Amino acid sequence: DAGVTQSPTHLIKTRGQQVTLRCSPKSGHDTVSWYQQALGQGPQFIFQYYEEEERQRGNFPDRFSGHQFPNYSSELNVNALLLGDSALYLCASSVGTVDGYTFGSGTRLTVV
Amino acid sequence: GNSVTQMEGPVTLSEEAFLTINCTYTATGYPSLFWYVQYPGEGLQLLLKATKADDKGSNKGFEATYRKETTSFHLEKGSVQVSDSAVYFCALSGSRAAGNKLTFGGGTRVLVKP
Repeated sequence: DAGVTQSPTHLIKTRGQQVTLRCSPKSGHDTVSWYQQALGQGPQFIFQYYEEEERQRGNFPDRFSGHQFPNYSSELNVNALLLGDSALYLCASSVGTVDGYTFGSGTRLTVV
Repeated sequence: GNSVTQMEGPVTLSEEAFLTINCTYTATGYPSLFWYVQYPGEGLQLLLKATKADDKGSNKGFEATYRKETTSFHLEKGSVQVSDSAVYFCALSGSRAAGNKLTFGGGTRVLVKP
């Protein structure tokens, strides 16, 4: 049984570009949350998707947007990339909003 | 808002030593509390959790007790191994109405030497 799958594992982008990160949740999970983990820090909540809608959002600008598809997979989009967006982006899936998140291995984004 | 504070690392120990990582929290209501572990180059793995006051979470020799009176959830292990070297994160889960989003501490790096 596959856990949470994220792609790509690494990528490098230039300032001002746009990026899309992808997440496939664990089988049976219908809720996807995204977190940003800067180097040496704890993860910060970006937003959560359930039933194809954004249900909760953290303190991130509108440059960060997302989408959830009918098969529960999700995308995170970041526009107008800044150097400060360089981080590990983690996807976590769950069943509804019940405790018990499964995290993926993350996508390491470097903005140069 | 919710917040989690945990001791800064790195914490360097010898194999078979006793490990304690302090964690305190600020939250409204009655959050669930978690410890996650992150090995190099990997995502987060749930180590243990506790959902109400005085609950003790345990896994792989690690333990933590939910202390509401001191708003703490300290992680302990009696005898660490080299394989326990990792970064440990304390976290709390907000209310179900808030989507149970996780609030993390800054992480504590633990290095166990043979």
